[in-house]
Amino acid sequence: SAVISQKPSRDICQRGTSLTIQCQVDSQVTMMFWYRQQPGQSLTLIATANQGSEATYESGFVIDKFPISRPNLTFSTLTVSNMSPEDSSIYLCSVETALLAGGLQQFFGPGTRLTVL
Amino acid sequence: RKEVEQDPGPFNVPEGATVAFNCTYSNSASQSFFWYRQDCRKEPKLLMSVYSSGNEDGRFTAQLNRASQYISLLIRDSKLSDSATYLCVVTSGGYNKLIFGAGTRLAVHP
Repeated sequence: SAVISQKPSRDICQRGTSLTIQCQVDSQVTMMFWYRQQPGQSLTLIATANQGSEATYESGFVIDKFPISRPNLTFSTLTVSNMSPEDSSIYLCSVETALLAGGLQQFFGPGTRLTVL
Repeated sequence: RKEVEQDPGPFNVPEGATVAFNCTYSNSASQSFFWYRQDCRKEPKLLMSVYSSGNEDGRFTAQLNRASQYISLLIRDSKLSDSATYLCVVTSGGYNKLIFGAGTRLAVHP
């Protein structure tokens, strides 16, 4: 398994500002993912972040709003730019690791709870 | 139509009960299937992978029917600690993109 930490764990921000969320993994991983979980809803993938290449964004998410960095195999950041109350959500990073029995598994960080006023 | 559909519940059951959750998915090309568990205000954690032959882990049994694009999770002898939201998850795309269902809430009471 992978141990994942996120900073900050929570924040309250003013509209129009930006927040950068950090995700740190205790081992080197190729695939990292950023998800959003809005209140009362399930998880939605924002983008996939691979080291050494630009992030791949899902439909409805753009780089200008959610720029992502992936400087090495253990770290990634997600920035929520020009925030509005609609961005209030939990943001989670996850990593994909191989299972001993074969196949792949994703582990999630504890999440960052963002409230935009 | 949502890619992964689940009965949202909540399922309110007494301790010791057997409860079953169902899930359907729309993408016939999906390759991998999982049940995740999410406790209140926590991140999702993998409960079990789901294989075509069906698989069991203690009190939990998962089944996959590819022809019907249907996944199930059976929990026997429910415990209070089983209270959580259970997320049906399938993969899509070439890089194992996870598609989450909205989740089924389970509340086990004494």
